[in-house]
Amino acid sequence: NAGVTQTPKFQVLKTGQSMTLQCAQDMNHNSMYWYRQDPGMGLRLIYYSASEGTTDKGEVPNGYNVSRLNKREFSLRLESAAPSQTSVYFCASVTGTGIFLTAKNIQYFGAGTRLSVL
Amino acid sequence: TQLLEQSPQFLSIQEGENLTVYCNSSSVFSSLQWYRQEPGEGPVLLVTVVTGGEVKKLKRLTFQFGDARKDSSLHITAAQPGDTGLYLCAGVRSGGSNYKLTFGKGTLLTVNP
Repeated sequence: NAGVTQTPKFQVLKTGQSMTLQCAQDMNHNSMYWYRQDPGMGLRLIYYSASEGTTDKGEVPNGYNVSRLNKREFSLRLESAAPSQTSVYFCASVTGTGIFLTAKNIQYFGAGTRLSVL
Repeated sequence: TQLLEQSPQFLSIQEGENLTVYCNSSSVFSSLQWYRQEPGEGPVLLVTVVTGGEVKKLKRLTFQFGDARKDSSLHITAAQPGDTGLYLCAGVRSGGSNYKLTFGKGTLLTVNP
C-alpha cells in the first residue's frame, strides 16, 4: 500500500520555467491538499480539493494552479516559476467525506517535492 | 500573526532526559493534532485531542489539550534518539475556516545519544 506518492522528489528550475508536481493516492480518499513548507513558516495551504472535480484556494494560491484529474490524482502547476516559490511541497489526502474537517479526519502526507527556483 | 505558537523552536537534549513542547493560541480549536516529521519525509499524525482537559498517552509521549481548548502540550519521558524530528501541532479552528488545518511552525527536537 503506497499511500500518497509525489513525483518528482527533487527539481531545479530557472525563473520563468513551468512544471507540474504530481500527486497520487491509493486510499480512495475524497479530499486532497497541497501545502508548501518553508523554514520558519510552517505548512501553508496552497489549494485543496474536497472531491473529484472541485478545487478551492487556500492561504497562498498566487502563482499556482491545480487539477483534480480523477479521485486518485491531484496535480499542482507552476506556470512561471519564481525564486519565491523555492520550497518543499507536500500533498496530502484526507479520510472522511465533505469539505469540513473534524477530529475524525486524518491527513496522510506524501514525502514531498523539494523545488529550487534559480 | 501566527495563529498557533509553538515553543521552543529548537530543543537539543541528551538521551534519557524529559522534555515538554508547547502549542499556544488565543483562538479556540475544535480539535488539535500533533504530527512528527522526520528529515526527507512528510508529517505523520501522532494523536488528535478533542475535549478540553483531555490527556492522551502514546508510549512515552503524553499529550494534553488545555481546558479552554486554546493550547496543548507534548511531554516526552526518557527521550531516545529515535524521537528526533520536527514536531508540529495543527488544529481546526472553532468558528473559523474549518476546511483546513492551521499549523504551528514546529519544534525541532534533537536527542543526542
